[in-house]
Amino acid sequence: GENVEQHPSTLSVQEGDSAVIKCTYSDSASNYFPWYKQELGKGPQLIIDIRSNVGEKKDQRIAVTLNKTAKHFSLHITETQPEDSAVYFCARQGGSYIPTFGRGTSLIVHP
Amino acid sequence: DAGVIQSPRHEVTEMGQEVTLRCKPISGHNSLFWYRQTMMRGLELLIYFNNNVPIDDSGMPEDRFSAKMPNASFSTLKIQPSEPRDSAVYFCASSFRRTANTGELFFGEGSRLTVL
Repeated sequence: GENVEQHPSTLSVQEGDSAVIKCTYSDSASNYFPWYKQELGKGPQLIIDIRSNVGEKKDQRIAVTLNKTAKHFSLHITETQPEDSAVYFCARQGGSYIPTFGRGTSLIVHP
Repeated sequence: DAGVIQSPRHEVTEMGQEVTLRCKPISGHNSLFWYRQTMMRGLELLIYFNNNVPIDDSGMPEDRFSAKMPNASFSTLKIQPSEPRDSAVYFCASSFRRTANTGELFFGEGSRLTVL
């Protein structure tokens, strides 16, 4: 199947701490793994992505890692700030063009 | 670029009424998706169009839902008759699909539907 499991569903951290969100998938044809951030009242927006020929990718305070053998990938946010508070969705594509989304993680960063 | 434009942003209607949600994708994009978001089910794909043709409508709940894309610049999602369980935020997203089966989706700001 093409399910994506995402954990945790809620994550509460103090400003400055790190946050990690994990996803697992089942479809071996998956080769593209985007992460979307959804702020209150808005649509999801791509923040970072990784392709299956890469194990890790960084963009300032955010990074994604991919373990294709184990079929899991993670989002890491360092030095969290209140403006990082949002719902984060992992997704996978490949085989089918239609992305499969995880259920989302509500990240709350306390000042 | 103006991004994906959806209307209305908010709709409150009574059970049994017809609801039409509208979407203008980003110019040049050839793929369009309609999603429904609820607390219980997260983001659910309703239908996917490629080059204005419906490719996958397996997520459309039932005959009360219909979607059209008469041209590359416009799509509608219609619910007739509406029911309280249809209350949700409906998102339209567009993308440019190349030969690879991957690509970023650009979402609109959503239409929040409340059916009383």
